[in-house]
Amino acid sequence: EVQLLESGGGLVQPGGSLRLSCAASGFSYSGYTMSWVRQAPGKGLEWVSSISNGGDSTYYGESVEGRFTISRDNSRNTLFLQMNNLRVDDTAKYYCARVLSGYEPFDHWGQGTLVTVSS
Amino acid sequence: DIQMTQSPSSLSASVGDRVTITCRASQSISTYLNWYQQKSGEAPKLLIYDASSLQTGGPSRFSGSGSGTAFTLTISSLQPGDFATYYCHQSFDFPWTFGPGTKVEIK
Repeated sequence: EVQLLESGGGLVQPGGSLRLSCAASGFSYSGYTMSWVRQAPGKGLEWVSSISNGGDSTYYGESVEGRFTISRDNSRNTLFLQMNNLRVDDTAKYYCARVLSGYEPFDHWGQGTLVTVSS
Repeated sequence: DIQMTQSPSSLSASVGDRVTITCRASQSISTYLNWYQQKSGEAPKLLIYDASSLQTGGPSRFSGSGSGTAFTLTISSLQPGDFATYYCHQSFDFPWTFGPGTKVEIK
């Protein structure tokens, strides 16, 4: 069974940093592109970032480009999101998602970790 | 960036009704269109990918159609468990984008 378990969320002040992790199990992790998707309280879904299966290609949404860094450790089946210079509008639940090859939908999602940016 | 719109933003329907949600892209995305269901307090769940392919294990009352810029998600016979918000998502080009969602309420 595919499982994705996010951790690392919490309360941080504006301008601060946080590192999210996503532990993957139940599938051949190194064979899949992985992504982060976020959802602000009461709002819709926003794609944040994706990383290719080998980690050599990364992609970012405009609102996080230059502040967030996605990475992965295929030896530990873990996905990361380093978030720097956090803003109040980064407050959201952050989901880790597996990307199915081909038409690239998000076919499995974690339960999410909440990031709150507030002074 | 490719903008995604959905209509309606919300709807109320009775159990057994046929429900159709529309999603439009600001430019052609071929069939790189996916649909998700999100119930309150839960993570989204993939329903349809490649515009019309039903995800493994998905109920057959859900179907998708369309290509280019116009797409539809149809629930052939609404069930109480279908109360949720539905999002379309284009994976044709980065930045990947979602529609704003359609909230389905049961009458």
